[in-house]
Amino acid sequence: ELKVEQNPLFLSMQEGKNYTIYCNYSTTSDRLYWYRQDPGKSLESLFVLLSNGAVKQEGRLMASLDTKARLSTLHITAAVHDLSATYFCAVDGGFQKLVFGTGTRLLVSP
Amino acid sequence: NAGVTQTPKFQVLKTGQSMTLQCAQDMNHEYMSWYRQDPGMGLRLIHYSVGAGITDQGEVPNGYNVSRSTTEDFPLRLLSAAPSQTSVYFCASLGHPSYEQYFGPGTRLTVT
Repeated sequence: ELKVEQNPLFLSMQEGKNYTIYCNYSTTSDRLYWYRQDPGKSLESLFVLLSNGAVKQEGRLMASLDTKARLSTLHITAAVHDLSATYFCAVDGGFQKLVFGTGTRLLVSP
Repeated sequence: NAGVTQTPKFQVLKTGQSMTLQCAQDMNHEYMSWYRQDPGMGLRLIHYSVGAGITDQGEVPNGYNVSRSTTEDFPLRLLSAAPSQTSVYFCASLGHPSYEQYFGPGTRLTVT
């Protein structure tokens, strides 16, 4: 059974700092997703990582995938308040059935 | 394109009542799915469909039924609502070949 673990579960950081969110998963998969969710809202797609070694960047966020280590990272560069949200990783468990991590609640303060 | 739409946005049910959550997409996606999100948790897959006439169970299917008579629509039926089904429900469809999952705005359901 596929298990997905994110850490940390909660991250409080100052504006301008860098940090990384980790997503580990327990069985082989070649597709991993990162989403952002604001309170009371739906999920916003950030990245779709489709192969080993995939790296994608959008603004201050960069995601990577190491399928051999079963690890994905979401790196935040020079955080700003607007990045405050909950971030989820989700792993394709086969047939596009996504298994989600429990989320990382990010709070960026001045 | 409206993307993925869901109705209603909010619903309150009494225990034992039944209802249908509606989901529609206008992107001609074959794959659609239903998830539930409980407080402080990630989403869990309820049911999914790989095309019209084909559905299968996800991780937490008990108490829910689905059918898929058209590519566009994928309704979720609660047969006899229970307080444990209080949750936020999201419908999603999968784009190909991007493999991007598009989520609807969600339905917040409370069962008393």
